[in-house]
Amino acid sequence: QVQLVQSGAEVKKPGASVKVSCKASGYTFTSYDINWVRQATGQGLEWMGWMNPNSGNTGYAQKFQGRVTMTRNTSISTAYMELSSLRSEDTAVYYCARGRRLYQPPDYYYYYMDVWGKGTTVTVSS
Amino acid sequence: DIQMTQSPSSLSASVGDRVTITCRASQSISSYLNWYQQKPGKAPKLLIYAASSLQSGVPSRFSGSGSGTDFTLTISSLQPEDFATYYCQQSYSTLLFTFGPGTKVDIK
Repeated sequence: QVQLVQSGAEVKKPGASVKVSCKASGYTFTSYDINWVRQATGQGLEWMGWMNPNSGNTGYAQKFQGRVTMTRNTSISTAYMELSSLRSEDTAVYYCARGRRLYQPPDYYYYYMDVWGKGTTVTVSS
Repeated sequence: DIQMTQSPSSLSASVGDRVTITCRASQSISSYLNWYQQKPGKAPKLLIYAASSLQSGVPSRFSGSGSGTDFTLTISSLQPEDFATYYCQQSYSTLLFTFGPGTKVDIK
């Protein structure tokens, strides 16, 4: 079945970096985007950015520009999200989600996240 | 950036009730609006995409409507498994998405 399996929980000190992985199975990894969304405890969903696994193209929310890097290894169908210069406010559950495009002629598309990983808890604490 | 608001922020309802949640965008987003359901400790689940299209496998008691700036998610007859938080999300800004703050539906 189609699924995204994320790496395990991480504990990091302020100023460090964290790299979370997201392994896709059950579909062609390079045919769909991977998005990253985070959620602090008791808070709402915050979209961080997207990556096209085929081209490697990325787009990041302005808030995370300069601190986040999204990459992939197509040989193992795995996407990565690295967040640097961690601070306590980055403590959250980080989700990867498959992005799907529904094309509407002539040149528009609807976009939605139809498959989600279970989340990776990242705790930033001294 | 496009800002999304939702109302109410929370509501209490009983099994069998008809429930309506509203989402508003800060500018027109046509029909580029999705709805997700999230239960505690779980990942979000896609319910509705393109404002009114039901995702495969989602019960037909869920429906979405609206276009432009105002959107609605309706649960026609609330079931015990529907108690959750619901988020809208705009996909109008090309690959620069934002979620609404969420609406928590709990048991009356």
